[in-house]
Amino acid sequence: AQTVTQSQPEMSVQEAETVTLSCTYDTSENNYYLFWYKQPPSRQMILVIRQEAYKQQNATENRFSVNFQKAAKSFSLKISDSQLGDTAMYFCAFTLYNAGNMLTFGGGTRLMVKP
Amino acid sequence: GAGVSQSPRYKVAKRGQDVALRCDPISGHVSLFWYQQALGQGPEFLTYFQNEAQLDKSGLPSDRFFAERPEGSVSTLKIQRTQQEDSAVYLCASSLERGVAATQYFGPGTRLTVL
Repeated sequence: AQTVTQSQPEMSVQEAETVTLSCTYDTSENNYYLFWYKQPPSRQMILVIRQEAYKQQNATENRFSVNFQKAAKSFSLKISDSQLGDTAMYFCAFTLYNAGNMLTFGGGTRLMVKP
Repeated sequence: GAGVSQSPRYKVAKRGQDVALRCDPISGHVSLFWYQQALGQGPEFLTYFQNEAQLDKSGLPSDRFFAERPEGSVSTLKIQRTQQEDSAVYLCASSLERGVAATQYFGPGTRLTVL
């Protein structure tokens, strides 16, 4: 079975600064996808960024980027120029290549951006 | 266009009652997923449909849980004889493609409280 671990239950960052959220996962498979989802207080989960395991290049989406270390099974999210609207729960998630797209989530990190 | 909608948004049930939770996916989306999110935790997979076919129900916690999607669009998650441990937010997600790791779009969830 696959597991996803987020070791930081809560984090805070000053507006305009950079923060990194950690995620590790465990799998014996080689083909998979990794995601970061954001869940604001309204609870609608939104995809932030995704990474295909076969790609060596780290994914980036505007202020969001990942540091994907396949050998270490690590997948951290870096948020640059943090904004108040980034305040939310962030979930790391994993799906196997042939798993029908079901997502396995970590326990989440609550991020607070302070003005 | 409209996103994934769920109803009701909040449901309070007495222990032993049956409940039905509805999910309206984005029009044309082939795949539909149900997740259960306990307070302070990440979502956990319950079941997955591709059109009207339920391809994976391995996450349903007991035979009191039943899901259907008879016409390949709207889905209903039914919980019979509710127990206090069923209290959680139930999230529905849909995706357009059958392909691997297609982006899942989440609804706002239904918060179920069993007294």
